[in-house]
Amino acid sequence: DIQMTQSPSSVSASVGDTVTITCRASQGISSWLAWYQQKPGKAPKLLIYAALTLQSGVPSRFSGSGSGTDFTLTISSLQPEDFATYYCQQANSFPLTFGGGTKVEIK
Amino acid sequence: QVQLQQWGAGLLKPSETLSLTCAVYGGSFSGYHWSWIRQSPGKGLEWIGESDHSGRTNYNPSLKSRVTISVDTSKNQFSLKLSSVTAADTAVYYCAQGQLWLWYWGQGARVTVSS
Repeated sequence: DIQMTQSPSSVSASVGDTVTITCRASQGISSWLAWYQQKPGKAPKLLIYAALTLQSGVPSRFSGSGSGTDFTLTISSLQPEDFATYYCQQANSFPLTFGGGTKVEIK
Repeated sequence: QVQLQQWGAGLLKPSETLSLTCAVYGGSFSGYHWSWIRQSPGKGLEWIGESDHSGRTNYNPSLKSRVTISVDTSKNQFSLKLSSVTAADTAVYYCAQGQLWLWYWGQGARVTVSS
């Protein structure tokens, strides 16, 4: 199985800040990476797929980059509704695997 | 906008079979893949498996011996069965549309395994 490692596990930030979350795959996955946002008690929501393609309806302050083994999710100008937990997921091979999550908290 | 609504038994005893169903509303069923994922505090998000509309499946090898995912195109529904459950199967179970990218998710169903 491909292991996905996210860092940091949590980050404290203020409204308006820029937050960067990294995800590392245990082997090269080209651009087969997605990012999800999850709020407490809710299902994850797809934000970005194919490493950098924004899902329809997702604000442009979210952006993804990277390929191979190292990926980044950037949230520019953090908004109150962005405080949540974010997960990466590899789609290079079965079984699909997820990172451990990064919780974005209010400073 | 696709909506997924899921249901099933929430409390099971060890060795019983978990059974969940997910209904798809507001979109096409055929031509898409349908997945199950679970989430527990100890193991995070774990992919269980997926099926296309014709019943071709892929399963997580860690669960493959106990998992069956089936589809009912006449009802726009798909189902998950997980046999011989233990406390380690306690989790919130989600259904989702998609094979590689999980486009839309159900609301989740909390399943607890306890004697």
